[in-house]
Amino acid sequence: AQKITQTQPGMFVQEKEAVTLDCTYDTSDPSYGLFWYKQPSSGEMIFLIYQGSYDQQNATEGRYSLNFQKARKSANLVISASQLGDSAMYFCAMREDAGNMLTFGGGTRLMVKP
Amino acid sequence: DAGVTQSPTHLIKTRGQQVTLRCSPKSGHDTVSWYQQALGQGPQFIFQYYEEEERQRGNFPDRFSGHQFPNYSSELNVNALLLGDSALYLCASRYRDSTEAFFGQGTRLTVV
Repeated sequence: AQKITQTQPGMFVQEKEAVTLDCTYDTSDPSYGLFWYKQPSSGEMIFLIYQGSYDQQNATEGRYSLNFQKARKSANLVISASQLGDSAMYFCAMREDAGNMLTFGGGTRLMVKP
Repeated sequence: DAGVTQSPTHLIKTRGQQVTLRCSPKSGHDTVSWYQQALGQGPQFIFQYYEEEERQRGNFPDRFSGHQFPNYSSELNVNALLLGDSALYLCASRYRDSTEAFFGQGTRLTVV
């Protein structure tokens, strides 16, 4: 069964600094995708970045990058130059290519300090 | 272009009642998934609909049922509500097996 673990319930970061949110996963499927979502207090899940299991390079989307270490089964999110608007819950998720469901971790609450 | 829309945004029901939540997918999307997010937890997959059929189901009892209409909109029905059904219910849509799923803002259900 697939599983996602986020070990940081809450994190503080100073505005304009970089922060890394940890995510480890477990799956027996060789083909899968890893996702990061941001959830502000409004509730909507906002897609940030995607990494396929066969992608050779780490994914980047603007200030977001995904540090993918396949052998260690980790997919950490790096946010550069943090902004006050980055304060939110962040969820790591995985979808096995053989399935249709997203499996989410428990989330990390990020708080950006001015 | 409207994204995924869900209604209602908030709902209060009494234990034992039945509830119907609605979701309109993003334009062009034909696949709809439903998730339950309890307070302080990550979302959990309930089921997915494609071509008006339930394609995959998570670990939820039969009290949870759904439907997809020809216009791809979807409903989630929950019968015999329990206090533990109180949660944010999220709908996500995508086109076929495309990578990215787009989420709505959710329906916050409170069972009293």
